[in-house]
Parts: sequence; structure tokens; C-alpha cells
Amino acid sequence: GENVEQHPSTLSVQEGDSAVIKCTYSDSASNYFPWYKQELGKRPQLIIDIRSNVGEKKDQRIAVTLNKTAKHFSLHITETQPEDSAVYFCAAILSGGYQKVTFGTGTKLQVIP
Amino acid sequence: DGGITQSPKYLFRKEGQNVTLSCEQNLNHDAMYWYRQDPGQGLRLIYYSQIVNDFQKGDIAEGYSVSREKKESFPLTVTSAQKNPTAFYLCASGLQGKTNTGELFFGEGSRLTVL
Repeated sequence: GENVEQHPSTLSVQEGDSAVIKCTYSDSASNYFPWYKQELGKRPQLIIDIRSNVGEKKDQRIAVTLNKTAKHFSLHITETQPEDSAVYFCAAILSGGYQKVTFGTGTKLQVIP
Repeated sequence: DGGITQSPKYLFRKEGQNVTLSCEQNLNHDAMYWYRQDPGQGLRLIYYSQIVNDFQKGDIAEGYSVSREKKESFPLTVTSAQKNPTAFYLCASGLQGKTNTGELFFGEGSRLTVL
């Protein structure tokens, strides 16, 4: 099955700086890579995703890059704001398949005003 | 209003008691999942189901049981065999098979405390 590793486990940045979270995966067949944001006490919600046919996707201040050869993908948040403080999870999924979905261990991002 | 609903939101249990957490979705999703989240920890998969009347163990299934008698419902029972059941439990659903986009939708979670 798929194994996803996520780093770092915690990340503190000054407001306005950039934050980068990295994930690696083991199954080269995985073709869908979502990122979820979980605010304190709330449910995880999808913030951005990327499919294996593209290398980069951007949505305002967040972007995700994918390196299929190296089997890693990253979340980039620019111009961080206090409301970006949350736990972020990545996953690597074979869409269209029937399989369990496992997440990375999460990154707690703290944006310091 | 479509979505995925978990109940109860908070639950207290005495040691030695079984408790069942409800998860219902009206999104017409085939797949449903149960995750456990401990403070400051990630999402660990307990059980998942891709289709009615079928389910598979996840990474931490010991002490838990599930059923999938209806497409809309995937209840989780935390049994007395679970050594450390106090945690936040999240249910999720998603499309599978040919229509699978990959995205999972989460419920608001159930916080179980064993007294």
C-alpha cells in the first residue's frame, strides 16, 4: 500500500514570509495529491490538489508542485497570514482505484504576527 | 443540504463500555472511512469501506468494529477491547471507481472521552 511521509512536523514563520511543506510517497501509481487544512477543533478541508499530469498548480497564495520522478510534492504558501495557522495534511491517492487512503502525519503551521 | 454528518459531537464513556459513533452521508459516495486523531497527531485510518456490505481494516483496527449495511451509513463501534479510546474520530466519504475524483469529504468529528 501507499506510504506517505510529511515534513516538517511543525513550522513557525513570521507573518508575510513563505512556508513550504513537503511530502514523499512510495507508490508510483498514485495520481492524485490533495492537501487538507485543519483548523483547531474543526474538520479537515481540501485547499488544493494536483493530478499527476501536471507539475504545478497555483491558487492565489497557495501552490503545489509535483515531482513524479522523485515521488515528492510540496505545498507552498506565500505572504502568510495568521489565519493560515493550522495543521496541514497531504495524501497520495490512486484515483479510480479501490484502496485505503492514508495521510501524511501532518504539519502544524504557526504564523507569528 | 448535502454533506456528511457525525453524531454525537461529544461522548463520554465509562471504561468497559462499548460505544457507537454514527456517520451518515447523503452525497451518494461509495467509499467511507474512519480516522482517529490524537492531540497533535495525524489522521490514522481505522476502517474503510468501498461498497455496501464490504469493509477493510485500516492501520489501527484493533478494538474497533464497523458495518456497512447501507450506502449512506458507516457506524463505528469502539469496543471495550480498545485500550486507549479517548480521541477525536473523523468520518469521511468519497467517490470511488471510475467516478473517483480522489477528494474526501469529512464530517465534523466526534470527540470521545473515556472516564
